[in-house]
Amino acid sequence: DGGITQSPKYLFRKEGQNVTLSCEQNLNHDAMYWYRQDPGQGLRLIYYSQIVNDFQKGDIAEGYSVSREKKESFPLTVTSAQKNPTAFYLCASSIAGGTEAFFGQGTRLTVV
Amino acid sequence: DQQVKQNSPSLSVQEGRISILNCDYTNSMFDYFLWYKKYPAEGPTFLISISSIKDKNEDGRFTVFLNKSAKHLSLHIVPSQPGDSAVYFCAASTPRYKYIFGTGTRLKVLA
Repeated sequence: DGGITQSPKYLFRKEGQNVTLSCEQNLNHDAMYWYRQDPGQGLRLIYYSQIVNDFQKGDIAEGYSVSREKKESFPLTVTSAQKNPTAFYLCASSIAGGTEAFFGQGTRLTVV
Repeated sequence: DQQVKQNSPSLSVQEGRISILNCDYTNSMFDYFLWYKKYPAEGPTFLISISSIKDKNEDGRFTVFLNKSAKHLSLHIVPSQPGDSAVYFCAASTPRYKYIFGTGTRLKVLA
């Protein structure tokens, strides 16, 4: 089955630690995206990548980093510089110049 | 600066009636508009979309209308069903395929 997989579904992090969220897709999509959702708010774009080995900052990139070494994978690292990391993180992918983006099931990150 | 706005955070509709969800945008460079449905703790699911060169797109119970001069789009659900209760996000994409989302409208369909 083709799709986009995020892991883990729930993640707990201690303050001051970096943590990496996984996102893998087997849809052969060129473009991938990371969004963050906070309670009662919309989806805010963190980073996006249109092609392997290239990515751009979204609206709220501070405190996050990404890599795009493979077409199928777009991991997001939440660094200790991110002041308020507790949120629901969503990964998505789309074909280049395509219409809809397809989303994974999300990772809920909680800082303890 | 919010480029895509959904000014109604919530909407309640009786089962069988029409649900109308609204969305406004500010950037005339958007070339594609989409609606997503989302349940708590899940990823959004694509519902319907419309190209900026069209003014209407229909898929079953769902119709999206685009008014470019007003920079406004709306999603009509007819007839509304209890299973339609969810948060609906409006999104717009740019020619560089970056998706910008609104803040969502929570629809509650009352049985």
